[in-house]
Amino acid sequence: QQQVKQSPQSLIVQKGGISIINCAYENTAFDYFPWYQQFPGKGPALLIAIRPDVSEKKEGRFTISFNKSAKQFSLHIMDSQPGDSATYFCAASRGYGGATNKLIFGTGTLLAVQP
Amino acid sequence: DAGVIQSPRHEVTEMGQEVTLRCKPISGHNSLFWYRQTMMRGLELLIYFNNNVPIDDSGMPEDRFSAKMPNASFSTLKIQPSEPRDSAVYFCASSRLRGAGGETQYFGPGTRLLVL
Repeated sequence: QQQVKQSPQSLIVQKGGISIINCAYENTAFDYFPWYQQFPGKGPALLIAIRPDVSEKKEGRFTISFNKSAKQFSLHIMDSQPGDSATYFCAASRGYGGATNKLIFGTGTLLAVQP
Repeated sequence: DAGVIQSPRHEVTEMGQEVTLRCKPISGHNSLFWYRQTMMRGLELLIYFNNNVPIDDSGMPEDRFSAKMPNASFSTLKIQPSEPRDSAVYFCASSRLRGAGGETQYFGPGTRLLVL
């Protein structure tokens, strides 16, 4: 019940196309859903995050779609660019008494955007 | 802001040797996390601290691994004795406490460990 399932494992998209990565969770107590982006040789960095009180959040070319009833959320990258080539991790967390921020990470998606 | 600082960046050691990884969190952050990343197992949380106190060490693989946080600005992850299967990239991350609006974890650059 603590798992976050992520798919696909890898994704190849043409420049200008839309990249879509999906995640599913079981624990309905999760209340924070971030996406992290990791470039080779670097640590993951927060890209965008959403809370379950909204169904969509958009920041530039990046959009999170959230379906609370289905317990699924997805990352959409519009107009994908070669510079977006990276590994993307979804994650989820819940407040343990409001004092902690333990993230449960998905297994990651390696995105390659071809020029 | 210097971000999360980890040292060393690369470590090559022989099986059986002690390895100590170091982390300096972002000033003002109260939570510190140690992760391990491998191709096979992805990103795994090993242990995390709140206000220098270990909260959850359920991810620590076995007794060969230990972590300490003697003060708010320093933490260590020690492997003794090291084994080839410990080869991985180890990340340290820090954040504010969630109640203080601190959901975002900031990751360091990682320590790439190779045990021969």
